[in-house]
Amino acid sequence: DSGVTQTPKHLITATGQRVTLRCSPRSGDLSVYWYQQSLDQGLQFLIQYYNGEERAKGNILERFSAQQFPDLHSELNLSSLELGDSALYFCASSVAGGEATGELFFGEGSRLTVL
Amino acid sequence: DQQVKQNSPSLSVQEGRISILNCDYTNSMFDYFLWYKKYPAEGPTFLISISSIKDKNEDGRFTVFLNKSAKHLSLHIVPSQPGDSAVYFCAASVGDYKLSFGAGTTVTVRA
Repeated sequence: DSGVTQTPKHLITATGQRVTLRCSPRSGDLSVYWYQQSLDQGLQFLIQYYNGEERAKGNILERFSAQQFPDLHSELNLSSLELGDSALYFCASSVAGGEATGELFFGEGSRLTVL
Repeated sequence: DQQVKQNSPSLSVQEGRISILNCDYTNSMFDYFLWYKKYPAEGPTFLISISSIKDKNEDGRFTVFLNKSAKHLSLHIVPSQPGDSAVYFCAASVGDYKLSFGAGTTVTVRA
């Protein structure tokens, strides 16, 4: 158990819909990261938040948005969903915001299926 | 743009033998490299890392080798055990946690 909690674990929805994925980081961790893993692909970095503020942005679509709340939990909002958005979405957390002194702790992921 | 590539999607090895996983990268600015291990229905977990100032790092049965001139990274598992059967991801970063991951290599350890 990494200490990172993601909900829901599974989600099935239709094209054009909007969903919200939630992540609670490990206790004490200030940074939250979102990654997308599509079929046979590596984990693609989407976005990072540090203590409530956006810290880094990756290949995140404009239809996607995220935020980190004062209690440090984060939500990833995916809208106007397309079939290609079907993927496993991972949240990860770390204590710091940018120093590569350790590793990320990942949640179990949220599997999104768009029909 | 895949900056980190794992060209072998799968690897099968007999228990007790060596597993060698390979990873190539294109960004010469990467200065920190990590390997993550992932079991089904779980998130990736950190395995071992290496800084670009080193060429080798060991942790028990796991050794990571870095060849900066070739932009190549490898993970050796000796001896391989059934519990090592998992997907292994190579990852790299430029001074921060914005990791770039490879597509993963599925290792199967045969009894």
